[in-house]
Amino acid sequence: QVQLQESGPGLVKPSQTLSLTCTVSGGSISSGGYYWTWIRQHPGKGLEWIGYIFNNGATYYNPSLTSRVTISEDTSKNQFSLKLTSLIAADTAVYYCAREVNYGEPRRFDYWGQGTLVTVSS
Amino acid sequence: DIQMTQSPSSLAASVGDRVTITCRASQSISSALNWYQQKPGTAPRLLIYAASSLQSGVPLRFSGSGSGTEFTLTISSLQPEDFATYFCQQSYTTPRSFGPGTKVEI
Repeated sequence: QVQLQESGPGLVKPSQTLSLTCTVSGGSISSGGYYWTWIRQHPGKGLEWIGYIFNNGATYYNPSLTSRVTISEDTSKNQFSLKLTSLIAADTAVYYCAREVNYGEPRRFDYWGQGTLVTVSS
Repeated sequence: DIQMTQSPSSLAASVGDRVTITCRASQSISSALNWYQQKPGTAPRLLIYAASSLQSGVPLRFSGSGSGTEFTLTISSLQPEDFATYFCQQSYTTPRSFGPGTKVEI
């Protein structure tokens, strides 16, 4: 059974950089067929796709965030990470990591982390 | 970018009711449409993928249909545990995008 778990600070100051890590168990992030993804949900709102990493380090980001986002991986720890710079209050959200099935299969987010609330405030 | 809309934004229903939620895409997405259920304080749960395929472990009362730009999620007989918010999501292209959600309430 695949499990994902987010970790990182719950409170970050405006203008600072957010760093979150997703630890994956029950499957290797190095195996093909999956996009390892970050998604966020503003309080009481819908879901916003941030981006993914795949294929030994290739990435794709939402154009609305691309200037501030970096997704990376540490295959030795079976983890992938999110960095979001120049934080503003509007970045306050629950951040989820998720696995997207790909490569010959219908794409879908089949496993999610529990989510971590990040508040941007001084 | 592909914009997703849902209707209604919320609905009130009773146990045993048949419930239908509609999702529309701003352009054709073939059958690349997924449905998720979210309860307060928890992550979304995949219900339906590729417009009409039932995810493993999901009850048979959930079904999906549609293609192109219009899709529906149907709950044939609403159960107490089905009161939640439902999101559609297109997987046709990047950036991936979600509908705003439909809250199913008592």
